[in-house]
Amino acid sequence: AQSVTQPDIHITVSEGASLELRCNYSYGATPYLFWYVQSPGQGLQLLLKYFSGDTLVQGIKGFEAEFKRSQSSFNLRKPSVHWSDAAEYFCAVGEDRDDKIIFGKGTRLHILP
Amino acid sequence: NAGVTQTPKFRVLKTGQSMTLLCAQDMNHEYMYWYRQDPGMGLRLIHYSVGEGTTAKGEVPDGYNVSRLKKQNFLLGLESAAPSQTSVYFCASTHVRDSAYEQYFGPGTRLTVT
Repeated sequence: AQSVTQPDIHITVSEGASLELRCNYSYGATPYLFWYVQSPGQGLQLLLKYFSGDTLVQGIKGFEAEFKRSQSSFNLRKPSVHWSDAAEYFCAVGEDRDDKIIFGKGTRLHILP
Repeated sequence: NAGVTQTPKFRVLKTGQSMTLLCAQDMNHEYMYWYRQDPGMGLRLIHYSVGEGTTAKGEVPDGYNVSRLKKQNFLLGLESAAPSQTSVYFCASTHVRDSAYEQYFGPGTRLTVT
């Protein structure tokens, strides 16, 4: 069965520090991969997506993610976080010929001033 | 474009009451989804629809029913609400020929069942 694992429930980083949020997936075929962000009390906004081509994907707000097939991972990175990045981040996986997307349980990011 | 809208934004129900949540999208998307979000559980798919008049079960369909009579609307019904259905409900839609199932989300409905 398909699954998505975000190993870190909470992460705290200092403003200006670099960030990496981990995502591992289990999927039968070539996956479609997404990262979404949710600010408190809001809906989800797409940060970036991968479905083919270059394995390093650039997204909005200065985020990027790298698809590593050998590690079944799609980790999200940002070189320097801002206080406004404090939010919950969700990794999601889909597959061609499958109508559904599976979401991870989320990682809540806290920023220290 | 309004995107994806959800009605109502908040609701409090007593156990056993019924209600319908409305999701509307103005992007002509084929696919629509209902999720529930609970602390520490991420988003779990309740039901989804791949087109007008069709629906399918997701991960947690029990206690919910859905209908898609018009392409732009997707209704989620609770026939007899239970406290376990206290949650935040999100609707999403997708244009399948574009961006491989990238989902556009509504703002959510916060439901409390007492």
